[in-house]
Amino acid sequence: EAQVTQNPRYLITVTGKKLTVTCSQNMNHEYMSWYRQDPGLGLRQIYYSMNVEVTDKGDVPEGYKVSRKEKRNFPLILESPSPNQTSLYFCASARGGNNSPLHFGNGTRLTVT
Amino acid sequence: AQSVAQPEDQVNVAEGNPLTVKCTYSVSGNPYLFWYVQYPNRGLQFLLKYITGDNLVKGSYGFEAEFNKSQTSFHLKKPSALVSDSALYFCAVSSGNFNKFYFGSGTKLNVKP
Repeated sequence: EAQVTQNPRYLITVTGKKLTVTCSQNMNHEYMSWYRQDPGLGLRQIYYSMNVEVTDKGDVPEGYKVSRKEKRNFPLILESPSPNQTSLYFCASARGGNNSPLHFGNGTRLTVT
Repeated sequence: AQSVAQPEDQVNVAEGNPLTVKCTYSVSGNPYLFWYVQYPNRGLQFLLKYITGDNLVKGSYGFEAEFNKSQTSFHLKKPSALVSDSALYFCAVSSGNFNKFYFGSGTKLNVKP
């Protein structure tokens, strides 16, 4: 089954404790991206990657890192999480090209205390 | 700056009645427009897209959307609503170079029996 898999689904952590949210897709998509969803703000793009070893900032990259060492994986790293990073996070992938819809994972709900 | 606006936080409609969820956009260059639906505890699912061509686009589950260039709008419509259509709907726009997607804040659709 074609899918985008995120782990974990739920994560509670404390301020400053480094964490990684994993994302993997099995569709051989070139494009991958991370979003955070906050009430009233919709989805905001954190980082995106056009291909292996090619990453770039979205609209809200502060406090986040990503890597794209393999085509299928695109982990999101929070080196020193803070409470304002409490949010619902989505990974998405797309085939590439201007008209390709995004395929989303089921989300990771992160709480930073 | 590129942006998407969904002016209604919530739309209420009776089952069997037509529904409209509004979206307006601002983008430089030709827009690529998308609608996604989100059910509770799930990621977003692609409904339909407009790239070029006919202004009326048909998508999944009987949904359609009308592109209006002069009004910079891309409203989502369905002739006869179902209770199962109740969900959160997001409009999104992509820029011509396909590196970023911009999402609206979402509209909650409530279809009552």
